[in-house]
Amino acid sequence: QVQLVQSGAEVKKPGASVKVSCKASGYTFTSYYMHWVRQAPGQGLEWMGIINPSGGSTSYAQKFQGRVTMTRDTSTSTVYMELSSLRSEDTAVYYCARGSIAAAQVTDYWGQGTLVTVSS
Amino acid sequence: SSELTQDPAVSVALGQTVRITCQGDSLRSYYASWYQQKPGQAPVLVIYGKNNRPSGIPDRFSGSSSGNTASLTITGAQAEDEADYYCNSRDSSGNHLNVVFGGGTKLTVL
Repeated sequence: QVQLVQSGAEVKKPGASVKVSCKASGYTFTSYYMHWVRQAPGQGLEWMGIINPSGGSTSYAQKFQGRVTMTRDTSTSTVYMELSSLRSEDTAVYYCARGSIAAAQVTDYWGQGTLVTVSS
Repeated sequence: SSELTQDPAVSVALGQTVRITCQGDSLRSYYASWYQQKPGQAPVLVIYGKNNRPSGIPDRFSGSSSGNTASLTITGAQAEDEADYYCNSRDSSGNHLNVVFGGGTKLTVL
């Protein structure tokens, strides 16, 4: 069965970076996109970006350009999302979500979420 | 980037029908997908494409689209349908892979 298992909760200081992992299993890793979506406490879903695990190409939401980097390791079927220059407003649950190659916006499986807390 | 607009909150009596809408220019070109999110849980895909349900999603959930508006309809709402619902679609501006989410609708089942 398809599973996306994310790394554990993180606490970071303002100005630091965080790197969240998402390990995929149960399907061909390079045949689906992977999105990153975040959700601040009590707020809605916010799309951050997408990576194509096949070639590693990425596209980021304009809001995060210059601060976010998405990478993948095909040997372990894992994607990573690194966010730098953290501020308190980045406190959120970060999700990875699998996207169909035929319709990238259709995210049919989601990770369990990783809480990132930014606090001095 | 494009925007998708949803009503913040909607309520429905148990067993009645409710429609949740999502408006945006990108919906003239791309279908919306719909997600259900319960407190403390990850979102779950309930509708995608023209009107497709993933395996395990009850058939009381259906989707439709007209012009710049996509709709999620729950026919015969159940207590367990109380949740937040989000639409998403491709962002019609910029990179063709970019995605945008609506602000979400909190559904209360009375």
